[in-house]
Parts: sequence; structure tokens; C-alpha cells
Amino acid sequence: EDQVTQSPEALRLQEGESSSLNCSYTVSGLRGLFWYRQDPGKGPEFLFTLYSAGEEKEKERLKATLTKKESFLHITAPKPEDSATYLCAVQPPRSNYQLIWGAGTKLIIKP
Amino acid sequence: DTAVSQTPKYLVTQMGNDKSIKCEQNLGHDTMYWYKQDSKKFLKIMFSYNNKELIINETVPNRFSPKSPDKAHLNLHINSLELGDSAVYFCASSQERHATNEKLFFGSGTQLSVL
Repeated sequence: EDQVTQSPEALRLQEGESSSLNCSYTVSGLRGLFWYRQDPGKGPEFLFTLYSAGEEKEKERLKATLTKKESFLHITAPKPEDSATYLCAVQPPRSNYQLIWGAGTKLIIKP
Repeated sequence: DTAVSQTPKYLVTQMGNDKSIKCEQNLGHDTMYWYKQDSKKFLKIMFSYNNKELIINETVPNRFSPKSPDKAHLNLHINSLELGDSAVYFCASSQERHATNEKLFFGSGTQLSVL
């Protein structure tokens, strides 16, 4: 069964302390992997799409990378405003519309 | 201007009632979706409409019925509400059919609590 697992469930960092969030998947023949950010009481907001192993995307303090089994969201020198839940979703090859979502990593950046 | 707006934000109701959630997008997108986010935060697609045509209908009880009067609106009507329907419901849109390469734009969610 296609599955997406995100770890850790929650991560507390000091402001400026860099770290990485993990998204591992069991889908073979991935069509795309998506990262979203979700703030409390809001809907997910798109961050990145990755399509093939070795691909990297960057936006401000965030960098997403992709291998054949997992994706990492690296956060460099985070600020309190980076606190949010980060969701990962994959698009399997058998379906051209359905995304399989992970449960997210709740990131808390303390000032 | 809010790109994808849904109302109400909160909905508290008794078991057995019928309720509706409305969604509108002003992005000019062709495709709209309803997602359910459960207590464990997993998002699951329920329905998708492309230009008023139903294209995704996942395994959802018949009590849930989407209605799309035009491509900018997708409403969700729920009959005979049950305790297990309590969740956050998100409306979303994308420019392309099936969102293969396009990002999804989400509304702020409707938190439904069935008592």
C-alpha cells in the first residue's frame, strides 16, 4: 500500500538552530512530491514540488531535496515565523490526481 | 482578496442534522476539491470537480453530496450528520484538471463538530 511517513511528529528548535524534516514514501514511480506549510486554523500553503531524485528547490530559509525513497526539508537558521506544520504529499503513478498525504511535522521555533 | 474562501469557519451541530459548507474561488481555476482532515492531520480527498463536472468521487458516504453551480463554486452538503463526521473540511482549487503539476490553493477550512 502506498504510504507517506513524516518524522519527527514534532520538532522544537531555538531560533537560528538548523535542522531537517523527513518525508519517506513507499510509492514507486513517483510522479511528484509536494511540500506544504500549514499554520494553525489555516489551509495548507504550497511550498515546493519535486519530480526526480537529486532535484533540489529553495525558498528563503527552506530547501527541499528528493531521493528515491525520501525527501528532506532543510531549514537553515530558522526564525519564529517559520513555526508551522509542514506537510508532505506524493502523487503515485497509477493516478494522475490523487495525492497521498503525510501527517505532518509540527515545527516550533523558540526565540 | 481571499483566493479560496469557505464558510462557515466553525460549524457545531447535533447528530442527525443536515448542513452545508460553501466554497468560492476567485482565481479563475478550472478544478475544485473537497478534502477532509481528520484528528491525526491526514488530508484525504473527497471530491473533485472540473468545470462543474464531477471527476473524483472517493469512497465517501452518500450522505455527502457536492454541488457545483459554476466553476468558481463548490458546495458540500451533508445529510444526517454523524459523530464520525467531525473533522476539518478544506476546499481547494487548482488551475489544471487533476493537479498533476499544479499546486493546490486551499481555503482556511471549516471545523465541523457533531455533538
